[in-house]
Amino acid sequence: GQQLNQSPQSMFIQEGEDVSMNCTSSSIFNTWLWYKQEPGEGPVLLIALYKAGELTSNGRLTAQFGITRKDSFLNISASIPSDVGIYFCAGTTFPTGTASKLTFGTGTRLQVTL
Amino acid sequence: GAGVSQSPRYKVAKRGQDVALRCDPISGHVSLFWYQQALGQGPEFLTYFQNEAQLDKSGLPSDRFFAERPEGSVSTLKIQRTQQEDSAVYLCASSLLQGGGGYTFGSGTRLTVV
Repeated sequence: GQQLNQSPQSMFIQEGEDVSMNCTSSSIFNTWLWYKQEPGEGPVLLIALYKAGELTSNGRLTAQFGITRKDSFLNISASIPSDVGIYFCAGTTFPTGTASKLTFGTGTRLQVTL
Repeated sequence: GAGVSQSPRYKVAKRGQDVALRCDPISGHVSLFWYQQALGQGPEFLTYFQNEAQLDKSGLPSDRFFAERPEGSVSTLKIQRTQQEDSAVYLCASSLLQGGGGYTFGSGTRLTVV
C-alpha cells in the first residue's frame, strides 16, 4: 500500500540538539498528524494539523502543515534521551473520502546520545 | 480499561493455521480501525468499523483476512490459513468520533508465522 516518504530515515543526535524531519506525499491531505512509537507499543499522537500553513507547537515539538497540503515537517528542540523512538507522519483526507483512514509515512528513527 | 487492549500480545502460528486477534477499544468509542505494521515499516490500513458496521475493508490483503465487531465494541481480526508474509504487528485503534485522526492505538499483537 501507499506510504508517505519521510526523511531522514534515521538520525543520531546529541542531547540538547535540535531535530528536523519531514514528510512528503504525492497526493493532498486535509489533516496531517505526527506520531511517536516506542518499542513494543502502539503509536502515540504528538501533534495534529488541520489547515494548510498551520504551525502548531506541543512543548518542545513544533509541526507545520505545508501550503501545498502535500508535505509536513516536525521539529524537536533541545532533544533529551526520552525523545528516542520512531516518528511517523500520517495523513488523512477526512472529511472527504474514507472517514479518517490514515496513510502513514515510512518513519524516522531517532537516537539521542548523551 | 483506560486504553485500547489487544490480546494476545504475541502469537506464533504454524503456516496454514488459523488465528484470531482481539481488540477491546476504549468504552464508548464509535470508530475502530485495524492496521498492519510490517517490520521496519509504518502501519498500513486494513479495515474500519463505525459501531458494528464495517464501512471500509479495502485494506484487507486477501480473502483470508476477516474482521468483525458484532456488538459495536470488541472486535476480532481473523486470519485463515496463515502464510509467512502475514508476520507483522497488528494494531487496533479506536476513536470517540468519526474522524480527525485523534485515535488511541493499542500496543498491538505481534504475529509470527513459522
